[in-house]
Amino acid sequence: EVQLVESGGGLVKPGSSLKLSCVASGFTFSSYGMHWIRQAPKKGLEWIALIYYDSSNKYYADSVKGRFTISRDNSKNTLYLEMNSLRSEDTAMYYCAKFPSYWGQGTLVTVSS
Amino acid sequence: DIVMTQSPSSLAVSAGETVTINCKSSQSLLSSGNQKNYLAWYQQKPGQSPKLLIYLASTRESGVPDRFIGSGSGTDFTLTISSVQAEDLADYYCQQHYSYPLTFGSGTKLEIK
Repeated sequence: EVQLVESGGGLVKPGSSLKLSCVASGFTFSSYGMHWIRQAPKKGLEWIALIYYDSSNKYYADSVKGRFTISRDNSKNTLYLEMNSLRSEDTAMYYCAKFPSYWGQGTLVTVSS
Repeated sequence: DIVMTQSPSSLAVSAGETVTINCKSSQSLLSSGNQKNYLAWYQQKPGQSPKLLIYLASTRESGVPDRFIGSGSGTDFTLTISSVQAEDLADYYCQQHYSYPLTFGSGTKLEIK
């Protein structure tokens, strides 16, 4: 059974940093590209980043480009999202996903002073 | 970026009725190489992560009831839910996976009268 478990969310102040993790199981993690998607409270879904199976390519939404970094450690079956210069508009539930079928339960990031 | 325009934003129906949700993309999602439309539909129930219903515009994900039907091609797509049930109360999103950045429609909230 495919499982994706996110962690690392929390309450942080504007301008600070946070690193999210997503531990994958139930499939060959090193063979698949992985994504981060977020959802602001009571808002829609926003794709924010993709990393290829071998980390050879990474893509970002314009809203996070230059501030967020996606990475992975295939030896640990873990996906990461390093978030810098956080803003109030980054407040959201962050999901990792093996598109299109599998999503984690999400980790909540709240950016507030 | 491909803009996904979804309508209506909300609707309320009685159990047993048929529901139609529309999604229009700003560019064609039809691949000339394989004649497939890169459009997915997701269902998000309250407090849960999104669940894939339909991919490649009309292919039902395993385990999804056959009352969920995806159709359309090019730039115009439809999700039809026949004989709506109380458990179908949810938000529904279309998403293009034709090009990056991946983009979602703004969502349709389905309420059961």
